[in-house]
Amino acid sequence: AQTVTQSQPEMSVQEAETVTLSCTYDTSENNYYLFWYKQPPSRQMILVIRQEAYKQQNATENRFSVNFQKAAKSFSLKISDSQLGDTAMYFCAFMKAPRGYSTLTFGKGTMLLVSP
Amino acid sequence: AAGVIQSPRHLIKEKRETATLKCYPIPRHDTVYWYQQGPGQDPQFLISFYEKMQSDKGSIPDRFSAQQFSDYHSELNMSSLELGDSALYFCASSSGGEPSTDTQYFGPGTRLTVL
Repeated sequence: AQTVTQSQPEMSVQEAETVTLSCTYDTSENNYYLFWYKQPPSRQMILVIRQEAYKQQNATENRFSVNFQKAAKSFSLKISDSQLGDTAMYFCAFMKAPRGYSTLTFGKGTMLLVSP
Repeated sequence: AAGVIQSPRHLIKEKRETATLKCYPIPRHDTVYWYQQGPGQDPQFLISFYEKMQSDKGSIPDRFSAQQFSDYHSELNMSSLELGDSALYFCASSSGGEPSTDTQYFGPGTRLTVL
């Protein structure tokens, strides 16, 4: 079974600053996907970024980037130029590959508060 | 772009009643997942369907059942409701065919309150 650990229950950052959210996972699988989802106060689950384990290059989506360290089983999310709208709960999630109907295993989440 | 649709968005039931939650996946998505998120918790996987067949089962109570229909929409049926069933229920969809579309996209959720 897979486990996902987010060791930071809460974090805060000021607008325009950079923040990094941590995530570690444990698995015996060699092929898998990792995701970051955000859940704002509306409770909608929104995909932030995705990383395939077989890719060495770290994924980037605009202000969001990851630092994927496969050997260390670490998958951190960096948010640059933080905006008030980034305030949300952030969940790290693991999915076995390659079949599309594998389920997601989530971490407990990190609540990020962006202040003016 | 079309998203996952869930109905109803809010539902209030009494203990021991039944509830049916509906999910309409993104067009051309053939896989549907159901997750339950309790207050202050992470989403927990309940059950999934791929091409109208159950593909995986998580911590779904025996009181709950689900199916995926020929048009790929799915329904989660919950009977003998208990107070502890109060939660946000998410449906997510993905396309199981191509690796590049393994990503699960979530609906807005159905908030179930059991009184």
